[in-house]
Amino acid sequence: EAGVTQFPSHSVIEKGQTVTLRCDPISGHDNLYWYRRVMGKEIKFLLHFVKESKQDESGMPNNRFLAERTGGTYSTLKVQPAELEDSGVYFCASSQDRGLAGPRFSYNEQFFGPGTRLTVL
Amino acid sequence: GDSVTQMEGPVTLSEEAFLTINCTYTATGYPSLFWYVQYPGEGLQLLLKATKADDKGSNKGFEATYRKETTSFHLEKGSVQVSDSAVYFCALKKGNYGGSQGNLIFGKGTKLSVKP
Repeated sequence: EAGVTQFPSHSVIEKGQTVTLRCDPISGHDNLYWYRRVMGKEIKFLLHFVKESKQDESGMPNNRFLAERTGGTYSTLKVQPAELEDSGVYFCASSQDRGLAGPRFSYNEQFFGPGTRLTVL
Repeated sequence: GDSVTQMEGPVTLSEEAFLTINCTYTATGYPSLFWYVQYPGEGLQLLLKATKADDKGSNKGFEATYRKETTSFHLEKGSVQVSDSAVYFCALKKGNYGGSQGNLIFGKGTKLSVKP
């Protein structure tokens, strides 16, 4: 079974340009997440889709970032216009959607893609 | 807010040395704790996890014990190999009643290099 894939693997753009990152989750995974790691810092959550709906977008840094997941399959993350501070590695992850069984939290593993390294010059 | 702090790297060890990577967390409630590993050119992979206090997660010779009293989840391995060279991330996820598949909160990562 194919894992989470991301495209492109690297992107170098100039400040002010637009870039679109793509993530293909594992087939059948309803949950899709975007994370970002800026150089030397933590991997930070950006947003979470359940199927085509945005469940949580509290981590999106500003309105230059637009994420979509049409049809609940692949997702795109567009940065427009890109700024220098947007440079980093963008990770996508997916997980199955299973209901909680019992009173305790049950973790469904998030499977990560290899990331897209974005460099804004 | 919730956060994870892990030791700064890089860490360089000789093969067969003992490894400890410290991780502490701040969170309310009952978080689950994880170690993820990123090998060169690959995505993050779940290495091990623990969902409640005193649980020990283990995999591939790595271990970590969920210590609520010290809010820690240190990663250990008794004898590292060159193939363990990677970046290791400590992470937490809030305990949640209701099945919400929420986000992970990560530390900064620790790069481990193991020399033959």
